[in-house]
Amino acid sequence: AQSVTQLDSHVSVSEGTPVLLRCNYSSSYSPSLFWYVQHPNKGLQLLLKYTSAATLVKGINGFEAEFKKSETSFHLTKPSAHMSDAAEYFCVVSAPNFGNEKLTFGTGTRLTIIP
Amino acid sequence: DTAVSQTPKYLVTQMGNDKSIKCEQNLGHDTMYWYKQDSKKFLKIMFSYNNKELIINETVPNRFSPKSPDKAHLNLHINSLELGDSAVYFCASSQKTSGRAYEQYFGPGTRLTVT
Repeated sequence: AQSVTQLDSHVSVSEGTPVLLRCNYSSSYSPSLFWYVQHPNKGLQLLLKYTSAATLVKGINGFEAEFKKSETSFHLTKPSAHMSDAAEYFCVVSAPNFGNEKLTFGTGTRLTIIP
Repeated sequence: DTAVSQTPKYLVTQMGNDKSIKCEQNLGHDTMYWYKQDSKKFLKIMFSYNNKELIINETVPNRFSPKSPDKAHLNLHINSLELGDSAVYFCASSQKTSGRAYEQYFGPGTRLTVT
């Protein structure tokens, strides 16, 4: 079984300040982990993925995430928020499912950027 | 050159009707998915097809029937629509490889409203 918990349903930060979106996961297997972003009325776009190689993963638009096995966490960060970062962010865990991968989504974190 | 496309983008219909949503991907992927996103933004997988074969079938009412005529297309037919079917439906695709982390590419979504 696998699950993912996004610890904050809503995060607000001022433009130019750091962003931290928190995610904890649970998986019976060695998981793959993803962050997806969904802008209003749009589909989901992959920000970054963890593939059991480097624990610090860099993604698009200046985002990065660090896989910490001891803490079962995969928090998303960005040094300086931009207005265009306002969106819904989903942490996703993937684990084998009888030879196939099955994604389990977190409940999402809405990021608001204050001008 | 849209990677994953869905039609229609919006669908408004009355209870009891039957409707279909179409999905096409031009990424050459061998696996396709249908997800349902509810009003609280929660995403849940419904079905997955690999090379036209159904591989994931979550607890979904029998009124929902996916059909994959070829590996580039996955359509979703819904019979006897109910108010609770109102949601945004996302199609996605991925390529199954020997490695892990099958990142999925999402379509723009179809907003279904049942009145």
